[in-house]
Amino acid sequence: NAGVTQTPKFRVLKTGQSMTLLCAQDMNHEYMYWYRQDPGMGLRLIHYSVGEGTTAKGEVPDGYNVSRLKKQNFLLGLESAAPSQTSVYFCASMRYTGELFFGEGSRLTVL
Amino acid sequence: SQQGEEDPQALSIQEGENATMNCSYKTSINNLQWYRQNSGRGLVHLILIRSNEREKHSGRLRVTLDTSKKSSSLLITASRAADTASYFCATLRNTDKLIFGTGTRLQVFP
Repeated sequence: NAGVTQTPKFRVLKTGQSMTLLCAQDMNHEYMYWYRQDPGMGLRLIHYSVGEGTTAKGEVPDGYNVSRLKKQNFLLGLESAAPSQTSVYFCASMRYTGELFFGEGSRLTVL
Repeated sequence: SQQGEEDPQALSIQEGENATMNCSYKTSINNLQWYRQNSGRGLVHLILIRSNEREKHSGRLRVTLDTSKKSSSLLITASRAADTASYFCATLRNTDKLIFGTGTRLQVFP
């Protein structure tokens, strides 16, 4: 089992460009999450999904959109990237017992 | 705003010593979890304690939860250099959102 896989692992964007981060899990988990991690800030929840076709806002949703068309995939989109979105993005899925399984992260730099 | 605040922000100890990290949170919770993050990697789940539990053990880890004080502690006994990492507490609210604290950076010197 691969667990949670994020692509791409690294990306450099120019201000105003758009991109999509893909998260895939093979554990048949219902709940999936996108977090961003910045130095000294810990992890902040961007958006999450409690099942196929559902999405909900987290703590810092502005500037991001998400989609959960298939149970195993959770996409995070940036429509018009800004330097403030330079961060490491982590995807996670939640086991029925409540613990999260994380991907290895996607490092995004916006110039 | 973040739900949890870890204390201390950084901790340096020698191998063999115990490491204690604390977490405070603001609102009622379903459970509290501790995660570990090695530099540049994803987070790994360590232990989960439910709101009706007061103490839990897993190997060299001991977690306590005091819901009246809205606080938790993680104790790592007989630490090893391989325990060097950042440790985060996270609280589950409304059964679907897991909110993380800012983390404690632990350095264990051989």
